[in-house]
Amino acid sequence: AQSVAQPEDQVNVAEGNPLTVKCTYSVSGNPYLFWYVQYPNRGLQFLLKYITGDNLVKGSYGFEAEFNKSQTSFHLKKPSALVSDSALYFCAVRGLLNYGGSQGNLIFGKGTKLSVKP
Amino acid sequence: EAQVTQNPRYLITVTGKKLTVTCSQNMNHEYMSWYRQDPGLGLRQIYYSMNVEVTDKGDVPEGYKVSRKEKRNFPLILESPSPNQTSLYFCASSLRDRGDNEQFFGPGTRLTVL
Repeated sequence: AQSVAQPEDQVNVAEGNPLTVKCTYSVSGNPYLFWYVQYPNRGLQFLLKYITGDNLVKGSYGFEAEFNKSQTSFHLKKPSALVSDSALYFCAVRGLLNYGGSQGNLIFGKGTKLSVKP
Repeated sequence: EAQVTQNPRYLITVTGKKLTVTCSQNMNHEYMSWYRQDPGLGLRQIYYSMNVEVTDKGDVPEGYKVSRKEKRNFPLILESPSPNQTSLYFCASSLRDRGDNEQFFGPGTRLTVL
């Protein structure tokens, strides 16, 4: 079965420091991986995705993520955190329903709350 | 402005009283989906639609119905709401049901069933 795990419920970072939000996945076939962000009282917004190609993907607001096939991970990173980055971050994955078959639905992790303090 | 809209944004109702949450997108997207968000559980898919008149169950479809009579609209229907359907609901759309398309989300509907 397809699944995605975000092992940390909350990540606390000081402003200006680098941040990492972790994500690991389990799918059949090659994964399509996404990061979304949810600000308070708002819907989810797309940040970035990995489909194929370079393992380092750059996205909105200075975020990037590194796809690591051997570790089945897709960690979200930013070199210098801002207070305005404080939000709920979701990792999501799509993989094949069965090997060689159609794409399964998008599966979301439980979310990681990022808190950036001044 | 390209967007997904949902109405109402907030709703408090009582057990058994039928309700409909509307969802509309203006991006000519083929794929639309409903999710519910619960603390500690992330987002779980309720129903999805790959195109007009094509709908299918997601991971948690019990107690919900949907319809897709027009491309832009994808209402979520709760025929007999129960307290365990108290949740935050999101509608989303994407260009096609290709695995690599990102989804666009509505602002959410917070539903409380008493």
